[in-house]
Amino acid sequence: AQKITQTQPGMFVQEKEAVTLDCTYDTSDPSYGLFWYKQPSSGEMIFLIYQGSYDQQNATEGRYSLNFQKARKSANLVISASQLGDSAMYFCAMREAGYGNKLVFGAGTILRVKS
Amino acid sequence: DSGVTQTPKHLITATGQRVTLRCSPRSGDLSVYWYQQSLDQGLQFLIQYYNGEERAKGNILERFSAQQFPDLHSELNLSSLELGDSALYFCASSVGESSYEQYFGPGTRLTVT
Repeated sequence: AQKITQTQPGMFVQEKEAVTLDCTYDTSDPSYGLFWYKQPSSGEMIFLIYQGSYDQQNATEGRYSLNFQKARKSANLVISASQLGDSAMYFCAMREAGYGNKLVFGAGTILRVKS
Repeated sequence: DSGVTQTPKHLITATGQRVTLRCSPRSGDLSVYWYQQSLDQGLQFLIQYYNGEERAKGNILERFSAQQFPDLHSELNLSSLELGDSALYFCASSVGESSYEQYFGPGTRLTVT
């Protein structure tokens, strides 16, 4: 069963506007973590933001915020004031408590910022 | 720069061959992870080591093996290579066994011809 679902293969956003990248997850474990990573065309994976399942508040890191809706099992990434350098592939990932610390990734969303 | 180094950056080899990918974690990090990114399978977890011991295993083929050495660097060995093994192989590291933040290296791009 798919653990992480990213339904938007590609997105366009105008420079300086906000954009939301969708992510839904599936787990029966009460303890888990949700992550977003950015992969520019150069290929490296850049950690953006983390949300723990017990965190009461939505995580924020600069222009990135995670809209965590636990009951709906969604963890959408919001990028405010988009910049051209935000053009990249974005991956949502989940870590379940238990054996090991592996991340399970979604298929990714390609974001293109237009000037 | 994440502080995780991987060598080589690119590797081109033929089917049936064996290769070794090397990873040096960030200074102070005890956990090392290997991930494979391919067009058809996406990003998949392969294996985790913590302080020299295997901690978690994912979809790692029997033809693949890994180890973490006393100096904490790790190697991923891929043998009897097939065309489908062509992928970007990432190493990541974290401070602890369950640290939430994993720092990824630049990856090794393997092309099997």
